[in-house]
Amino acid sequence: EPEVTQTPSHQVTQMGQEVILRCVPISNHLYFYWYRQILGQKVEFLVSFYNNEISEKSEIFDDQFSVERPDGSNFTLKIRSTKLEDSAMYFCARLQNRERNEQFFGPGTRLTVL
Amino acid sequence: SQQGEEDPQALSIQEGENATMNCSYKTSINNLQWYRQNSGRGLVHLILIRSNEREKHSGRLRVTLDTSKKSSSLLITASRAADTASYFCATDPWGGATNKLIFGTGTLLAVQP
Repeated sequence: EPEVTQTPSHQVTQMGQEVILRCVPISNHLYFYWYRQILGQKVEFLVSFYNNEISEKSEIFDDQFSVERPDGSNFTLKIRSTKLEDSAMYFCARLQNRERNEQFFGPGTRLTVL
Repeated sequence: SQQGEEDPQALSIQEGENATMNCSYKTSINNLQWYRQNSGRGLVHLILIRSNEREKHSGRLRVTLDTSKKSSSLLITASRAADTASYFCATDPWGGATNKLIFGTGTLLAVQP
């Protein structure tokens, strides 16, 4: 089955610091997504990214968040100034087939903000 | 915004028994999917059912969809200890432009050996 990989698996940071979460390596895919899951809660949509542009973002995805595909393969989520409430699992997903909308999720990055 | 709700929130059964989880949603959908999540891990796609389908099978999984009631159920037959995980339904809202998924709150299934 096609894989989505994410790095790091766990990131610990101080409040106010910038973090970059990565989806690697991905090629030949157009649609990507970031979701997050606060511990014990449901998975929430953050942003969708199509053809190197944001196509939709949720209310959660405020100015502190940004996404990029800097080198044509890696897909990154940046949080500029982390807050305690940003602590969560962050999942990258890619769309294998738009008609079926089956999304393949990465293993996630656990972000802990102290 | 649409929200999915699963019930029960937690389910504990013995190995060999069947497990049934339910999901309700609020808006029209293109399809509904079920995902599995082992503790602290990623999401694994289990099965997808389109809005014009009523029932679908995959191995020990059986999914039903009732669009008139906006509900779905996931049945796992002959459960195994390895089925212990959280199960989430996710809907693909009709008319959505980007295929984002809206997840439910999940059912935590514990299968006792």
